[in-house]
Amino acid sequence: DAKTTQPTSMDCAEGRAANLPCNHSTISGNEYVYWYRQIHSQGPQYIIHGLKNNETNEMASLIITEDRKSSTLILPHATLRDTAVYYCIVRFDNYGQNFVFGPGTRLSVLP
Amino acid sequence: GAVVSQHPSWVICKSGTSVKIECRSLDFQATTMFWYRQFPKQSLMLMATSNEGSKATYEQGVEKDKFLINHASLTLSTLTVTSAHPEDSSFYICSVPGTEKGGNTIYFGEGSWLTVV
Repeated sequence: DAKTTQPTSMDCAEGRAANLPCNHSTISGNEYVYWYRQIHSQGPQYIIHGLKNNETNEMASLIITEDRKSSTLILPHATLRDTAVYYCIVRFDNYGQNFVFGPGTRLSVLP
Repeated sequence: GAVVSQHPSWVICKSGTSVKIECRSLDFQATTMFWYRQFPKQSLMLMATSNEGSKATYEQGVEKDKFLINHASLTLSTLTVTSAHPEDSSFYICSVPGTEKGGNTIYFGEGSWLTVV
């Protein structure tokens, strides 16, 4: 699986959009970009994933660059409950394949 | 609602004793489950892949005789930490493969905090 690079930490004001970047310059054509988050003392929570096209769900939007070498997770209106570690993972879409977690980005939403 | 349930959420045990953690898949039948370990301020590390009806596959550096995994049914996997030591104190998380928007993803349990005293 391709390696990802994320900033160690970020701050965001409550109510503002949080934009979390991820670089995956070695991504291959069939690898998907997944985003998970982990709130303190809980298991990771699935947020969103995509291959080429931008994706949106009730939690977030995923913007993938045309060359697929980077992506941005957008939380449109961050709340204090969005404070968590956010993991960007690149992985083939195979059933039963585990996820390899990097250090992620620690997002702090400030009041 | 929860897709994966772990029990117990937290446990304290004495050194030298064994502790069992259960992982139940509520929404999916799982021939495979994953066990991760997470130390404070670190990321998740895969310990082993649990296979229904057969032996688990352990990652390098994980002692299979110390971390016993049983996957007797399509909805239940257990991790037993045998002869626990204080350095085994950690957050243990299981996960189950599933689907999301037609794609293959993994759902995680709530995690189990183990403290060995």
